[in-house]
Order: sequence, then structure tokens, then C-alpha cells
Amino acid sequence: KNEVEQSPQNLTAQEGEFITINCSYSVGISALHWLQQHPGGGIVSLFMLSSGKKKHGRLIATINIQEKHSSLHITASHPRDSAVYICAVGWDDMNYGGATNKLIFGTGTLLAVQP
Amino acid sequence: DSGVTQTPKHLITATGQRVTLRCSPRSGDLSVYWYQQSLDQGLQFLIQYYNGEERAKGNILERFSAQQFPDLHSELNLSSLELGDSALYFCASSPRGSTIEQFFGPGTRLTVL
Repeated sequence: KNEVEQSPQNLTAQEGEFITINCSYSVGISALHWLQQHPGGGIVSLFMLSSGKKKHGRLIATINIQEKHSSLHITASHPRDSAVYICAVGWDDMNYGGATNKLIFGTGTLLAVQP
Repeated sequence: DSGVTQTPKHLITATGQRVTLRCSPRSGDLSVYWYQQSLDQGLQFLIQYYNGEERAKGNILERFSAQQFPDLHSELNLSSLELGDSALYFCASSPRGSTIEQFFGPGTRLTVL
């Protein structure tokens, strides 16, 4: 079983629809990251959160630490939102005499928003 | 633009060869992380450097090595290349080593023929 599981793997939506991508994890974490990867390959960090909810424009990310679950919502979706969305969890490891932040990644959700 | 630069963008080489990938972090960032993204394994953490010292290791093969120089740029060396090493290699940087947002470079696409 993967330590980070995303669903769905693929998602097709019509422009304007409300979209939800889910992420569940099985390890203790200090933070969860949502990343966006466009077809060209570049990765952009959308959110980093350790509790509650964050909003940036049409994007909303929530996390429930007790349930080890996070969701990424896109309101009023647009074709330019088409990308792979990746959930990653990180934890601070103090075994190196100083903190480090290793990330474990989900397999990603391929989102296609059709006009 | 994240402020993290990687060179080269594309690299095509043959099995058995050695290549060096370069990463320049954002100005002022002390931590550099290297990641590999392959079709079958997805994104995987390889190694982290903090202010010139190795801080953490992930699934990095013994044929791979990295270092961070005094000017904080980092290099990932891949040797005895195999077909399976074909992947996108990303570096990311952050101001510190602990929990904090990481800024990703554009990646280097390595093709081993």
C-alpha cells in the first residue's frame, strides 16, 4: 500500500465545474503539499498546509490531521487548470543534527477541463 | 518563475556514460533537494543538501552522487547510466531544511539510449 494515495487518478470536467481531488496518507506528517505539474513538466507549489484550510484564488486546500486526509478544490474550473495535481507529505527528521524535510509523493491526478 | 534554475534542459546520452546535472537555488536558499520523476516510479526524493552538507538521503542509487558548493549551487552526478535512469530530474530549494515550502526548478529531462 502506498503511503500517499490520491483519487481520482484521472478526472475530466466541463468548464465551470467544481472539482475535488482527494489525498490520504498513512504516515505522521508535519506538512502536506499540493503541487501542480503542467504538460511541459514544470512543477509549481500550490499550497503547503499543516492544519485547517487555505485559499488562493479559485483554489482551496483543506486538511484533516486526525483523519489523515486532504482535499484540493477548484471552483469555476477553466481549461487552463488542466494539469497533473500531486499531493506530497513531508515530515521533519531531526536525525541529522538539524531538520530536514523529506517528501513522499502521491501518483498524481490528471485533470482535463474541457471548454 | 520559481527562481530555481537547472541546466541543461534536455540531455541525451548512451548507456554506460556519466552526466552532471546542475541546479542553482533561489537567492538566499540554503537547502537544495533532488528528485527523480520516472514513468514507472513517479516522483521520488533522492537527496538533500543544506548549506554545503548532505542532510538526508532517499532512494538514491550508489551510481548517483551529489554535492553542494560554497556558492550553494548543487550538482547531481549520474554514472554508469542505464536505460532505466531516463527520467525528469528536478531540484528544489528552500530557505531552511525544515518544514517549509519548496520551490521547484524546471527540471532536466535525461534520455539514456
